[in-house]
Amino acid sequence: DAGVTQSPTHLIKTRGQHVTLRCSPISGHKSVSWYQQVLGQGPQFIFQYYEKEERGRGNFPDRFSARQFPNYSSELNVNALLLGDSALYLCASSLDPGDTLGYTFGSGTRLTVV
Amino acid sequence: AQSVTQLGSHVSVSEGALVLLRCNYSSSVPPYLFWYVQYPNQGLQLLLKYTTGATLVKGINGFEAEFKKSETSFHLTKPSAHMSDAAEYFCAVSVFYGGSQGNLIFGKGTKLSVKP
Repeated sequence: DAGVTQSPTHLIKTRGQHVTLRCSPISGHKSVSWYQQVLGQGPQFIFQYYEKEERGRGNFPDRFSARQFPNYSSELNVNALLLGDSALYLCASSLDPGDTLGYTFGSGTRLTVV
Repeated sequence: AQSVTQLGSHVSVSEGALVLLRCNYSSSVPPYLFWYVQYPNQGLQLLLKYTTGATLVKGINGFEAEFKKSETSFHLTKPSAHMSDAAEYFCAVSVFYGGSQGNLIFGKGTKLSVKP
């Protein structure tokens, strides 16, 4: 079975641009969570989606948004990119939003803002 | 509020030596605790997790961790380091909110180097 897949694996954007990151969960998993990992830090929770609805949000500005599709895949959007948005963005899927024990992480998307 | 503190951003050991990575947590309720490993340019792989019951938890690759409630600690150990253990290690605690939504709070990580 395929694990959690994220695309693209790497991308470079310019300040002020917009970016869309994608995540496909493990088959049967209905919840997707997004985390931001800045270099030298641990991952920080951004969003959690379940059954296409936002179930949780971390302390991130409104420039960050996300959505989940009927097939449970998800997109993370970041507008008006800042240099500080450069990070590894990790997606985790689970059966339901409370199932932190069953988290499976993808390999991440490395975003560089120049 | 829950939080995680990892003591030592960088730990260096010789091959064959004991590995000890320290983690202390703060939680107002009985926590779920985790150790993850991250190899360069990769995502997070679960090493082990503590929920309830036995306080000594065994994980993959010979790692284990002991939950000590009195010390609010969950230190990770391995009796004998291998070169392939060189990676970054993250301790995490589960945070739960109303309606069963939960997420993880991570420490800042400890980079483990293994010398030949």
